[in-house]
This record gives sequence, structure tokens and C-alpha cells, in this order.
Amino acid sequence: EAQVTQNPRYLITVTGKKLTVTCSQNMNHEYMSWYRQDPGLGLRQIYYSMNVEVTDKGDVPEGYKVSRKEKRNFPLILESPSPNQTSLYFCASSDPGSTDTQYFGPGTRLTVL
Amino acid sequence: AQSVTQLGSHVSVSEGALVLLRCNYSSSVPPYLFWYVQYPNQGLQLLLKYTSAATLVKGINGFEAEFKKSETSFHLTKPSAHMSDAAEYFCAVSGWYNKLIFGAGTRLAVHP
Repeated sequence: EAQVTQNPRYLITVTGKKLTVTCSQNMNHEYMSWYRQDPGLGLRQIYYSMNVEVTDKGDVPEGYKVSRKEKRNFPLILESPSPNQTSLYFCASSDPGSTDTQYFGPGTRLTVL
Repeated sequence: AQSVTQLGSHVSVSEGALVLLRCNYSSSVPPYLFWYVQYPNQGLQLLLKYTSAATLVKGINGFEAEFKKSETSFHLTKPSAHMSDAAEYFCAVSGWYNKLIFGAGTRLAVHP
């Protein structure tokens, strides 16, 4: 089954404690993205990757890092989380072509105390 | 730059009534437009997409949307609301590298 998986699904942590949210897709897609969803703001892109070892900033990259060492994986790293990073995070993947549907993961709800 | 505006953060309808969720977009190139639905405590599900073929697009669960270039709109409609349609709906336009630019969302409530 074609899918995007994220782990963990829920996470409560404290300010400053490094964490990683994993994302994996089994569709051999070239493009992958991370979005955060906040009430009244919709979803905003954090980072994206066009292929292995090729990443770039989205609209709200501050406080986040990513890596793309393998085509299927695109982890999101928060080196020093802060309360303003409390949000719902979605990973997405797709192939080149604006008409292509993006496949979204189930989401990770992060709370930073 | 591309942007999406959804008019009305909350919409409430009676069961059986028409659902109309408004979306206006801004794009310097011919847009590809999407509607997603998010049910409570769930992820995003694609309802429908416009990719420059037919201007009236039919999606899942009886929803459809009409692309109107002159009005820069892509409103979502359903003739008869069902209780199960209660959810948050997002309109989005596709940008470079398939980046999706989302509207702020519209929460639909359906009451008996």
C-alpha cells in the first residue's frame, strides 16, 4: 500500500531537548516536504527536498533542520525546541509535476513545554 | 507570489442544505488548485483537484468545485450536507516543486 509514515504520532517534550520526527515514503517519490499546521494559519511549508542530498527552505524554516540521505526518508530535526514550535506537523511526498497529488502522512502532534 | 484566501473561517449549515465554501487564489501562472478535507484528529485527504482540464471538477463524497479564471475563484460545493461532512476544509494552490500554498481553512459544522 502506498503510504507516508511519520513517527512519533504524538510527542510532548520540554524546551531545549533535541528531537527528531521521522518521515518515510514507499512510493519512490523525488519530492518530499514538511508542513506545520496552526489554527487560523492553515499549513505552511517548513522545508522541502527535490531529491537525495538536495533540500531547501520553505516559508517557516527557523528552528528546524532536515536531511535527505536516502530517497525514502526525510527526517525533521528540532535541535532546541521552543514552545512556539508546538504544532501539528505533516510530511508529504510527490513526484515532479504540479498536477501530481501529494501524499500526506498522518501527522505528528508536538507539544513543547 | 501565489496565495489563497478562504472566506469564512467557520460555516454552519443544516443537514440537507447546500454547502458552499469559498476560495480565491492569486497566481501569476495558470494555477493548479486543490481542496483537502481534515476530519477531527485525522490527516489530510484530497477531495478534488483542478489541473487545467475541465473547469468543473467532481471529487469524492459528492463535492465539486468550479474554476472561474475571471473571478480567480475555486469554490467548493455540495448540494446536500450530511452530518459526516463536518470537518475542516483547506483550499490550496500548487507552486514550485509541488509546494502547496494553503488557505487558512474553513471549519464546516452541520447541524440537524
